[in-house]
Amino acid sequence: DAGITQSPRHKVTETGTPVTLRCHQTENHRYMYWYRQDPGHGLRLIHYSYGVKDTDKGEVSDGYSVSRSKTEDFLLTLESATSSQTSVYFCAISESELAGEQFFGPGTRLTVL
Amino acid sequence: GDSVTQMEGPVTLSEEACLTINCTYTATGYPSLFWYVQYPGEGLQLLLKATKADDKGSNKGFEATYRKETTSFHLEKGSVQVSDSAVYFCALRNDNQAGTALIFGKGTTLSVSS
Repeated sequence: DAGITQSPRHKVTETGTPVTLRCHQTENHRYMYWYRQDPGHGLRLIHYSYGVKDTDKGEVSDGYSVSRSKTEDFLLTLESATSSQTSVYFCAISESELAGEQFFGPGTRLTVL
Repeated sequence: GDSVTQMEGPVTLSEEACLTINCTYTATGYPSLFWYVQYPGEGLQLLLKATKADDKGSNKGFEATYRKETTSFHLEKGSVQVSDSAVYFCALRNDNQAGTALIFGKGTTLSVSS
């Protein structure tokens, strides 16, 4: 299994509070992604990174920001959480963008009350 | 834009039955195609992939053939087991577009009973 961990694995928070989710990899892969999974929607891309300090927006980036200061860590921040951001969040990594194959972390279940 | 459409679930089968989960796609260029599986409480795992037309991906008894003429990548297995119960996602990556990630279908839940 690819070495990907996510923390926390579960979090309950209140509307309006900031939340940061962490993805950590030990594979030294260049590309990292954040997805959210919601019933009826499959997985949708939030943000991705193609290197240290290099990030770009995905399909559903509104309300989220990311940072990558080291190859191994990719942080997802909800500046002011809303109930619509209740979801399961998955981090993924890829060695080569063109290869397409991605390896996924175990997920973080976030509930915003 | 690019998209993936999967058959709606849930799919309920008895052990040793045949499985087909339909997947069709819309994409410009020549995408790579994937099937991922998600077991309860876990992340997604790559099940199989195909990178060009007529390629057949296979793994753990599952197969899927990249059909460009019908823009399809249906997942098949001849004899399912209870342990195959999971959510299956079809996905594509358009290699003609830099800076994009995987595009997923909505997922199909498979439940196999003994």
